[in-house]
Amino acid sequence: GQQLNQSPQSMFIQEGEDVSMNCTSSSIFNTWLWYKQDPGEGPVLLIALYKAGELTSNGRLTAQFGITRKDSFLNISASIPSDVGIYFCAGQLSAGNQFYFGTGTSLTVIP
Amino acid sequence: GAVVSQHPSWVICKSGTSVKIECRSLDFQATTMFWYRQFPKQSLMLMATSNEGSKATYEQGVEKDKFLINHASLTLSTLTVTSAHPEDSSFYICSARDSGLAGSPETQYFGPGTRLLVL
Repeated sequence: GQQLNQSPQSMFIQEGEDVSMNCTSSSIFNTWLWYKQDPGEGPVLLIALYKAGELTSNGRLTAQFGITRKDSFLNISASIPSDVGIYFCAGQLSAGNQFYFGTGTSLTVIP
Repeated sequence: GAVVSQHPSWVICKSGTSVKIECRSLDFQATTMFWYRQFPKQSLMLMATSNEGSKATYEQGVEKDKFLINHASLTLSTLTVTSAHPEDSSFYICSARDSGLAGSPETQYFGPGTRLLVL
């Protein structure tokens, strides 16, 4: 299957700092999704991207669909303690295909 | 966003028994649902793709006779772990594909997960 490389694997930051994480692939995707998973719960969709170059915000979160269509980025501004969790990217090659998931980025926010 | 429910949220069972997990799309129809397994601090591992009205497609290494999947309606898929053993203990998560209107982008929504502990 497809492999999505997500980095960094983990982050420890101070409350109020900005966060950046990214996801790269060797294949071209037509859809990128970003999820957050809290412990013991299912992933929750944060942002969906459908066009190369697209920049979409959801509150303090901003995600971009890379121009090459092989990568995507997620930024969190002014982090707060409730941002703690694991963030996953997911990419889809084309409509009707499965979504492939990144390895996740574990975020810890220190108050 | 769309809502996907999963039941039960956790289950403890004896070794050798079978456990059924339900996944429902509450406010949209899902012709395709997915079943994942997740180990602690790891990513989601796709087990199988469940298609309404047809047989599920299993990923390599996943025993179809061990993990029975039924997708009898557009809003319900079930995963049955047959003759469960301690090594089957894990966090099982389903997701449902929301295809939206024809030609519109697809999105995938997850259920809250089911934690299975086999004693």
